[in-house]
Amino acid sequence: QSALTQPPSASGSPGQSATISCTGTSNDIGGYVYVSWYQQHPGKAPKLMIYEVNKRPSGVPDRFSGSKSGNTASLTVSGLQAEDEADYYCSSYAGGNNMVLFGGGTKLTVL
Amino acid sequence: EVQLVESGGGLVQPGGSLRLSCTAFGLSFNRYYMTWVRQAPGKGLESVAKIRPDGSAKYHVDSVKGRFSISRDNSKNSLYLQMNSLTAEDTAVYYCVREDYWRFDLWGRGTLVTVSS
Repeated sequence: QSALTQPPSASGSPGQSATISCTGTSNDIGGYVYVSWYQQHPGKAPKLMIYEVNKRPSGVPDRFSGSKSGNTASLTVSGLQAEDEADYYCSSYAGGNNMVLFGGGTKLTVL
Repeated sequence: EVQLVESGGGLVQPGGSLRLSCTAFGLSFNRYYMTWVRQAPGKGLESVAKIRPDGSAKYHVDSVKGRFSISRDNSKNSLYLQMNSLTAEDTAVYYCVREDYWRFDLWGRGTLVTVSS
């Protein structure tokens, strides 16, 4: 099973929006609702930001939203703030051996 | 406080072995799937091994099958990863993670494993 495909970088100005894509196949993203997004600041553990495509855990600002169309999932960060600058990883259930696949990560820069 | 605390990382020679441990605090450990996720320096995340709440089923990514083995002791709220035949490609921070319906909602701080001569 191959990793999911993410762009290496994305950017946006403070107050604007940025969208990060995550492309898989019908065997992972396209076939299940179990798509998640994680935020990771340097030297820190990842943090769950979105699960089941578009659900936010308690405490995650509603500026973060998720969606899915076909085999591609997306994370949108609205009203960008300096603290949103981080690496973002998507993940998806992929059936098979019951393991989760990750994307390669996207570095989000707030200009 | 709900937290996961890893230990056991360090420097090991190629071909060597290491056993990672993770202790859970403040959560019903025996209710959850648990997973080890690793991150090589400057690289992305990779699920390495996963275990059912009762330990009756275990899953390992192909790259570690036959070398790594996940286990747990619910009486000690503990998760383990036995790593054998280590190579430089296994160098990474290893995170202990709670998994709930294929989402990782609680992470430890990680423990660094360095494989080098």
